[in-house]
Amino acid sequence: NAGVTQTPKFQVLKTGQSMTLQCAQDMNHEYMSWYRQDPGMGLRLIHYSVGAGITDQGEVPNGYNVSRSTTEDFPLRLLSAAPSQTSVYFCASSFQGAGGYTFGSGTRLTVV
Amino acid sequence: AQSVTQPDIHITVSEGASLELRCNYSYGATPYLFWYVQSPGQGLQLLLKYFSGDTLVQGIKGFEAEFKRSQSSFNLRKPSVHWSDAAEYFCAVGSNDYKLSFGAGTTVTVRA
Repeated sequence: NAGVTQTPKFQVLKTGQSMTLQCAQDMNHEYMSWYRQDPGMGLRLIHYSVGAGITDQGEVPNGYNVSRSTTEDFPLRLLSAAPSQTSVYFCASSFQGAGGYTFGSGTRLTVV
Repeated sequence: AQSVTQPDIHITVSEGASLELRCNYSYGATPYLFWYVQSPGQGLQLLLKYFSGDTLVQGIKGFEAEFKRSQSSFNLRKPSVHWSDAAEYFCAVGSNDYKLSFGAGTTVTVRA
């Protein structure tokens, strides 16, 4: 099994550009989440989903959109990139009730 | 609201010595508690989790953690560290097993 796959691994954007960070899992997990990691701040929850068609906001949702049309995929869309969105983004998935996420390897995003 | 404090930003320990990482949480009811480890440039890996039951939890790589409700703590321990344990460690708390709040992390350096 591939686990949680994130693409791309690295990306540089100009301010105002939009893009989609891809996340796919092949473990049939119900739960999926997006976190951003910034130095000294740990991981902060952006959006999460408890199943196909169900999404909700986390701690820092502004500037990001998500959708969950299938169990496998949970893309994160940056609507108009800002330098404050420079970060490392992690997608994670979990089987309901099992507790504990499986994380992808991350996308390092730089907005200039 | 739930939150996590990891008081130690950086810990240096000699190889073969014991290690204890502190985690204090804020949550009204019995929380879901987790410890994750992150090696440089990698995603996070689950070390152990606590939902209920025995307050001493065993995890992978020889780690254990103890839930102390009276102290709102969930400290991580390892009796004898190996050079490969050098990494960043994150404590996380949730009201359920999918919406987690992470601490800022503790970086562990292992000296020969």
